[in-house]
Amino acid sequence: QQQVKQSPQSLIVQKGGISIINCAYENTAFDYFPWYQQFPGKGPALLIAIRPDVSEKKEGRFTISFNKSAKQFSLHIMDSQPGDSATYFCAASKKTSGSRLTFGEGTQLTVNP
Amino acid sequence: NAGVTQTPKFQVLKTGQSMTLQCAQDMNHNSMYWYRQDPGMGLRLIYYSASEGTTDKGEVPNGYNVSRLNKREFSLRLESAAPSQTSVYFCASTRTVQETQYFGPGTRLLVL
Repeated sequence: QQQVKQSPQSLIVQKGGISIINCAYENTAFDYFPWYQQFPGKGPALLIAIRPDVSEKKEGRFTISFNKSAKQFSLHIMDSQPGDSATYFCAASKKTSGSRLTFGEGTQLTVNP
Repeated sequence: NAGVTQTPKFQVLKTGQSMTLQCAQDMNHNSMYWYRQDPGMGLRLIYYSASEGTTDKGEVPNGYNVSRLNKREFSLRLESAAPSQTSVYFCASTRTVQETQYFGPGTRLLVL
């Protein structure tokens, strides 16, 4: 039972382009939505997170867009750089289950120079 | 300040062998987690410990046991390894509810 579905599985973007990764969730009790970035051979690291009381959050070139009614959220990477090449995971949690995160399947992003 | 450390980095086991994966954090975090990562399946929670002295099952606990030895250390034990347990295992910790989870570098396990 995959409660958080992520797409696409892989993405190739040219340097300077916009990378967009989408996630959809089922459980309306989720109230925290982080994105993690993972480089090969490393553990995931928090990139940016959003709570459902806002529709958008921006940190530098990274933006989360959140649509509560559609139960969807997405990560936008503006001006994508080769150094952004990594695997990205969306996740969700609900306060009543502590910090248990449910992860999406992951998106492998490649930014070509 | 090392963050989250895991040992070993890599291990090869034969089917039926046992082993313990070690995890330690030096950030005085309350909660600790064990995940496994398999291609195309994201990270799946095996067990977690919300606070020292407590442990709970996650999404895929079968074949594993855990021990929260103290606030710093959280170990994962495979009593009788199976090829299906071939995976990369990550330990993580967080200070409190819905704060950043910090991940260790992972343990790559191959069960033959």
